[in-house]
Amino acid sequence: SAVISQKPSRDICQRGTSLTIQCQVDSQVTMMFWYRQQPGQSLTLIATANQGSEATYESGFVIDKFPISRPNLTFSTLTVSNMSPEDSSIYLCSVPGTEAFFGQGTRLTVV
Amino acid sequence: RKEVEQDPGPFNVPEGATVAFNCTYSNSASQSFFWYRQDCRKEPKLLMSVYSSGNEDGRFTAQLNRASQYISLLIRDSKLSDSATYLCVVNPGYPSTGNQFYFGTGTSLTVIP
Repeated sequence: SAVISQKPSRDICQRGTSLTIQCQVDSQVTMMFWYRQQPGQSLTLIATANQGSEATYESGFVIDKFPISRPNLTFSTLTVSNMSPEDSSIYLCSVPGTEAFFGQGTRLTVV
Repeated sequence: RKEVEQDPGPFNVPEGATVAFNCTYSNSASQSFFWYRQDCRKEPKLLMSVYSSGNEDGRFTAQLNRASQYISLLIRDSKLSDSATYLCVVNPGYPSTGNQFYFGTGTSLTVIP
């Protein structure tokens, strides 16, 4: 199993600013996933964070908007850049194993 | 076509009722299947894995039909605390655990007193 500590748990941000979300895993993992869950929707994969290489982004998501860092096998950050109200969402990091393990989520509100 | 599709509901059922959720998946080679529960404003949490032979955990029964590529979850004797969103999740690549998981849109259940 994996225990993931994600922070911040929530934030209210001004449009045009950026927020960096952190996830710390209690064990080394090869891949970490970043998801967005908009209100009333299911999880949408933003990107896969690989240690030592560029993140792999899904269609509709770009590095300039959602830069990701993966400095080691236990840690990753996702930045939501130049935020607009449309970015208001829950952001979740996840690691795969025998099941999908999730961080507690970051509830972002952009005003 | 989406990897995983499920009826979003909502399902509103009285306490004590039996309710069933279904979902379908598109990749016939998928290996592992799950039902997750997500409470409002919380992260998804594993409810149960779904095995080929079907499996039961208390009031919850999960079934897998590979021929038809669908997964079901049956909840018997519904409790108020069962109110949540239930996500159907498929991992095409397990036991290659590096592969991503695919999520259905979730089915909303409200159990009414």
